[in-house]
Parts: sequence; structure tokens; C-alpha cells
Amino acid sequence: RKEVEQDPGPFNVPEGATVAFNCTYSNSASQSFFWYRQDCRKEPKLLMSVYSSGNEDGRFTAQLNRASQYISLLIRDSKLSDSATYLCVVSYNQGGKLIFGQGTELSVKP
Amino acid sequence: DTGVSQDPRHKITKRGQNVTFRCDPISEHNRLYWYRQTLGQGPEFLTYFQNEAQLEKSRLLSDRFSAERPKGSFSTLEIQRTEQGDSAMYLCASSPKTQYFGPGTRLLVL
Repeated sequence: RKEVEQDPGPFNVPEGATVAFNCTYSNSASQSFFWYRQDCRKEPKLLMSVYSSGNEDGRFTAQLNRASQYISLLIRDSKLSDSATYLCVVSYNQGGKLIFGQGTELSVKP
Repeated sequence: DTGVSQDPRHKITKRGQNVTFRCDPISEHNRLYWYRQTLGQGPEFLTYFQNEAQLEKSRLLSDRFSAERPKGSFSTLEIQRTEQGDSAMYLCASSPKTQYFGPGTRLLVL
């Protein structure tokens, strides 16, 4: 079993749609949680950190459920430019190695 | 450009040859990480340095792989006797806390 599991998709949605990605992690010792975005043939870039209280950044909302070891990302009013692969990431300690899920591919269509 | 840089960006080699990749982190970032990413998967951790000390190595890092960061600034990753299974994108990241990724070196072993 992989340490971080995501639905690989692809998710094909029309512009303006709301889309949700889910992720589970197996190690309860995980301390830090992130969503990274990766465009085709580019490097991963941090989209947002995920906090226990949930956090929002514009159209993006991330939530963490430590009891269920579950992380989610909600994208509202999706744009063509949101098309990318979204990587769920955990770390056991700040500054330590990142453990990535396989990524969920999102394609937003006009 | 003050981001993480990697060289070369692409490398094609024949099986059995040795290759070396270089990573220049963001200035004053004391932590430097190497990851490997194959098609359709998230990046996998290989090793990381704090200054010049190599603090952790993945079991993925076989004896054919070696990484150095001699002066605590740039780092090199060498693969000896390359195999076709080594074909991947090799990503470098640096951080004080958040990891920032370089553009990667894409390796193809024929």
C-alpha cells in the first residue's frame, strides 16, 4: 500500500465547475500536509499548505481530517488555467522529506 | 533568476554509462533534496542534505547512486552503470522550510 493515495483521474470538468480531490495517508505520524500543483513536464509548485482547521486561498479550500487520515482540496469556479496535476503531499517533520501521492490530473474544458 | 537551477535539463545516455547531474539551490537555503519522478507517478524521495551533511538516503538509492554537497552549496547526483530503469525526471529542491523545486533533469537511458 502506498503511503499517500490519490485518485489518479483524469477529472474532466467544464469551466466554472466545482471539483474536489481526495487523498488518504497511511502514517499517523505525518505532521505537515500540502497540495502541490504540477503542470505538464514542469516541476511541482506549492499550491497551499493544509492545516487542521482547514484553510482557504481564493477559489481553493483545503481540509485535513487527522482522525481519518484524509486530506481534501476543493476548487471552485474552475478556470482553464487550473488544468494540471494536483499532488497530495505529507511530511513527517518540518524540513524533512516530502512523500507524494501519484497525483490527480485535472482537465478544465471551455 | 534566483530559483533552483539544474543542469543539464536533458540527458540521453547509453546503458552502462555514468551520468552526473548538478543542482544549484536558492542562495542561503541550507537544505537540499533529490527526488525522482517517473511518468504517471508523484516524485519519490532519494536523499537530502542539511548544509554539507547527507542526513537521509532512501532505499531507492542503490549503490550505483551517489550524491554530494561538498561545500554546502551546490549538489551533484551521480548514477554509475546506468540502467534503462533509471530513465526518469530527477528533481532537486531546496528549502529553509517550504521546498522549492528546480526544473528537473530528464534522463533517458537507451
